[in-house]
Amino acid sequence: GQQVMQIPQYQHVQEGEDFTTYCNSSTTLSNIQWYKQRPGGHPVFLIQLVKSGEVKKQKRLTFQFGEAKKNSSLHITATQTTDVGTYFCAGNNFNKFYFGSGTKLNVKP
Amino acid sequence: NAGVTQTPKFQVLKTGQSMTLQCAQDMNHEYMSWYRQDPGMGLRLIHYSVGAGITDQGEVPNGYNVSRSTTEDFPLRLLSAAPSQTSVYFCASSYSLATNEKLFFGSGTQLSVL
Repeated sequence: GQQVMQIPQYQHVQEGEDFTTYCNSSTTLSNIQWYKQRPGGHPVFLIQLVKSGEVKKQKRLTFQFGEAKKNSSLHITATQTTDVGTYFCAGNNFNKFYFGSGTKLNVKP
Repeated sequence: NAGVTQTPKFQVLKTGQSMTLQCAQDMNHEYMSWYRQDPGMGLRLIHYSVGAGITDQGEVPNGYNVSRSTTEDFPLRLLSAAPSQTSVYFCASSYSLATNEKLFFGSGTQLSVL
């Protein structure tokens, strides 16, 4: 069945360092979305990628969708303490969103 | 707009008890879904609905029932609670998956089954 794998599971960085999380699907996705969940909170939508090879930026965040539409990445430049949380990718296929296991980011000030 | 409202926020059940987690949205969303979140396993889809009167199973449907009698409400029923159902449950809705809309999540229900 559909599987979306995400690595790493945890990442501890010093404030100012960069951070990247990777998402891989076992099948081709129609689109991929990224969500952020703050500690104790609920997932909040960040962005959606639809086109093969698409790259989108939101301030210090850069999102990429692979050419084969089976993988994606989220890169944060110069992390800040406000970036703390768990980042999830979610692939959409036939009315079902398959979420990755998430990457928990901790930023030390 | 209140968005997606889930009740209760916390619940403790004994094994074998039944209960209903409530979810309501006021955004006229067609698509509604239930997820459970367990440490290290991300969000797993339990059931979903693409409109009133239409429901379907997700990845982990066993032990759960849903119904969608109105556009606004999508309750999740635990028929006979088991300790394996201890988890955080999120309801999420979207205007329409056909247009690749984003999911809006409720604040979650933390359920413990003893």
